[in-house]
Amino acid sequence: DQQVKQNSPSLSVQEGRISILNCDYTNSMFDYFLWYKKYPAEGPTFLISISSIKDKNEDGRFTVFLNKSAKHLSLHIVPSQPGDSAVYFCAASAPGGSEKLVFGKGTKLTVNP
Amino acid sequence: NAGVMQNPRHLVRRRGQEARLRCSPMKGHSHVYWYRQLPEEGLKFMVYLQKENIIDESGMPKERFSAEFPKEGPSILRIQQVVRGDSAAYFCASSQTGGNEKLFFGSGTQLSVL
Repeated sequence: DQQVKQNSPSLSVQEGRISILNCDYTNSMFDYFLWYKKYPAEGPTFLISISSIKDKNEDGRFTVFLNKSAKHLSLHIVPSQPGDSAVYFCAASAPGGSEKLVFGKGTKLTVNP
Repeated sequence: NAGVMQNPRHLVRRRGQEARLRCSPMKGHSHVYWYRQLPEEGLKFMVYLQKENIIDESGMPKERFSAEFPKEGPSILRIQQVVRGDSAAYFCASSQTGGNEKLFFGSGTQLSVL
């Protein structure tokens, strides 16, 4: 019972174009969403987050959009750079308790020069 | 300004042996989380600890697994009598407050059970 789903295992885009990574969730109690980036043999690093009271959050080249009615969020990277090539994990947490994160399986992004 | 330190990076054990994974949180962080990543899967929450306290262990297998975060020293994830299915990457993360904020992850320990 995957509560956070990333249905695309991989994505390939050309340098300079937009990368769009998608994430769906099933638990309506989730109120905070995060994107992590992971390089091989390293731990995940935080990229950007969004609270459920917002529908958009922007940080430089990275923008996260949240559609609560559809239980869907997406990460836009524009323009994409070869250094963005990594695995991107979507994660969510529910209020209260330990704030533990529920992760998706990840999407491997390859940005071609 | 060291980040979250995990050791060892790689650990090989034979079935039935014990595995001890260590995690030193970032300076000033008193909240530690352990996550496990099986091959081709996302990270799955195991346990959340503060100094000398287990706050949430709802993700821990009921047997063979234990975790501690003593007053002094690193957090330890201990797996007794390892089996092949325990082979995974184990990540530790720390935070300052434990609230709704980003976690800082270590580089992980890759456990291989022969």
